[in-house]
Amino acid sequence: DAGVTQSPTHLIKTRGQHVTLRCSPISGHKSVSWYQQVLGQGPQFIFQYYEKEERGRGNFPDRFSARQFPNYSSELNVNALLLGDSALYLCASRKDRGAGELFFGEGSRLTVL
Amino acid sequence: GQNIDQPTEMTATEGAIVQINCTYQTSGFNGLFWYQQHAGEAPTFLSYNVLDGLEEKGRFSSFLSRSKGYSYLLLKELQMKDSASYLCAVRQSKAAGNKLTFGGGTRVLVKP
Repeated sequence: DAGVTQSPTHLIKTRGQHVTLRCSPISGHKSVSWYQQVLGQGPQFIFQYYEKEERGRGNFPDRFSARQFPNYSSELNVNALLLGDSALYLCASRKDRGAGELFFGEGSRLTVL
Repeated sequence: GQNIDQPTEMTATEGAIVQINCTYQTSGFNGLFWYQQHAGEAPTFLSYNVLDGLEEKGRFSSFLSRSKGYSYLLLKELQMKDSASYLCAVRQSKAAGNKLTFGGGTRVLVKP
């Protein structure tokens, strides 16, 4: 079975641009969470989605938005990119909303120049 | 809010034992996870504690004391491949949003 898949794996953008990151959860998993991991730090929670609804949001500005589709895949959108948005963006899925471990994808490494 | 503290870096010798401590302050505690993350890779699940006590899984063990807000991950018979970052993460209760919050990670370097 495929694990959590994310695309693209690497991308470079310039300040002010917009980016869309995509995530496909493990088959049968209905909950998707997004995390931002800056080099040398732990992942920071951005969003959690379950059954296509936002169930939690971290301390990130409104430039960050996300959605979950009927097939449980998800997109993370970041507008008006800043240099500080450069990070590894991790998507994680779990079977249900709160129980069980998170399974992480390999991440999308975003560099903002 | 939540606060999770763990040491930034630890060095140990192959074959030895290393203990990584994690202290936390949270509202609505609902479990503590340990993840391993090799450089450039995704975090992978190691252990989960929700009740006080020791959970043993092969060379890795994890301990939790809820009253003290304290956990540790014990790595025994260290191997070179254990060089990685180890992330402590606390899950809040359903009422508090089920959010999983990570510490900054402890980078463990295993030397021959």
